[in-house]
Amino acid sequence: DTVLTQSPALAVSPGERVSISCRASEGVNSYMHWYQQKPGQQPKLLIYKASNLASGVPARFSGSGSGTDFTLTIDPVEADDTATYFCQQSWNDPFTFGSGTKLEIK
Amino acid sequence: QVQLKETGPDLVQLTQTLSITCTVSGFSLTTYNVHWVRQPPGKGLEWMGAMWNGGGTDYNSAFKSRLSISRDTSKSQVFLKMNSLQTDDTAKYFCARLNYGPGYFDYWGQGVMVTVSS
Repeated sequence: DTVLTQSPALAVSPGERVSISCRASEGVNSYMHWYQQKPGQQPKLLIYKASNLASGVPARFSGSGSGTDFTLTIDPVEADDTATYFCQQSWNDPFTFGSGTKLEIK
Repeated sequence: QVQLKETGPDLVQLTQTLSITCTVSGFSLTTYNVHWVRQPPGKGLEWMGAMWNGGGTDYNSAFKSRLSISRDTSKSQVFLKMNSLQTDDTAKYFCARLNYGPGYFDYWGQGVMVTVSS
């Protein structure tokens, strides 16, 4: 299975820029997607196919990357962005998710 | 609008069978695929399996021997059944709609938290 590695946690101040990384154990082309999950809620799609903003998602969120290295960027960060962010690949079978990066806003 | 809602038990006894229903609205099961994803408390997401719009299924090999997914298109429902439950099956179980081409989940249910008790 394709393993997606994310750093466990980050802490930033409001107004700053933050980059959350996701590294795949094998190439996934551009088939990497990003989700935001707040406590007690279901995941919410933010970015699909590496760099496409999902409907209704603020333009503060952006994605980049291809192959094995991907980045979700939030600029500027707001207090409401406190959440865990997951990457998910759909290029290789089975679909896999990263372990999540917990973002704390100081 | 598109909605998915999981219904199922809060508690299941060790070695018993889990049954969860995902009822969808706002789209047809013959057009879209619905998948199951679970999340143990405080942990990450794990893809379990899929009900394809054509009626076929696909399973994560980690569950293949004990997981079954089926559907009733007339009721807009997808069913998950998993047997031989263990304590590490304690998790929140989500159904989610797949946007097939790119392979991302565009809509999710709220999930149902299932505890496996000994």
